[in-house]
Amino acid sequence: DTEVTQTPKHLVMGMTNKKSLKCEQHMGHRAMYWYKQKAKKPPELMFVYSYEKLSINESVPSRFSPECPNSSLLNLHLHALQPEDSALYLCASSQAREGPYEQYFGPGTRLTVT
Amino acid sequence: GQQVMQIPQYQHVQEGEDFTTYCNSSTTLSNIQWYKQRPGGHPVFLIQLVKSGEVKKQKRLTFQFGEAKKNSSLHITATQTTDVGTYFCAGKDFGNEKLTFGTGTRLTIIP
Repeated sequence: DTEVTQTPKHLVMGMTNKKSLKCEQHMGHRAMYWYKQKAKKPPELMFVYSYEKLSINESVPSRFSPECPNSSLLNLHLHALQPEDSALYLCASSQAREGPYEQYFGPGTRLTVT
Repeated sequence: GQQVMQIPQYQHVQEGEDFTTYCNSSTTLSNIQWYKQRPGGHPVFLIQLVKSGEVKKQKRLTFQFGEAKKNSSLHITATQTTDVGTYFCAGKDFGNEKLTFGTGTRLTIIP
């Protein structure tokens, strides 16, 4: 199974809402990633988890809060977002953070902040 | 910080024509990966190059890694409508093992 799943597919939320994005992989990968992608732009790295510990935070605002409950799951908790946070949020996983390993991406959650 | 640029930004080709996208990094890379993202889709891994001067082929696609490990190219021979999408290179820095995506080249095919 080389699939990364993400839920929900689409999410519309107000600026005062709290919501969570979920990501799951069953490939035994030990690194998991959150990316943000705006239209016609490349994916931008937000967070990297390695062996369930946060190893990279790309200076992401605190209204985005990642969580890795176990080696298969990755969550992104959202609170008090701004309209400019509307984007496609992609989860990815790889065998490890260090080394020449490709990343497997999920289908993404398309987030609209109103 | 590391920057990875791709040219061209857009390419429209007639079906059957060849296509090339070029990728340039501001820093020396430990390896480079190529991904394809179809319209409305997510990035899908195509290939990885690790050695200086490496050339790899996948059917009609040819990938090259520069001698200085700072640039790469993807060449598609005789494009087909299924090749439509945005092609991203993504480079890994020696320092922090972070994968930085290039700016992407969007390929459209005129049937």
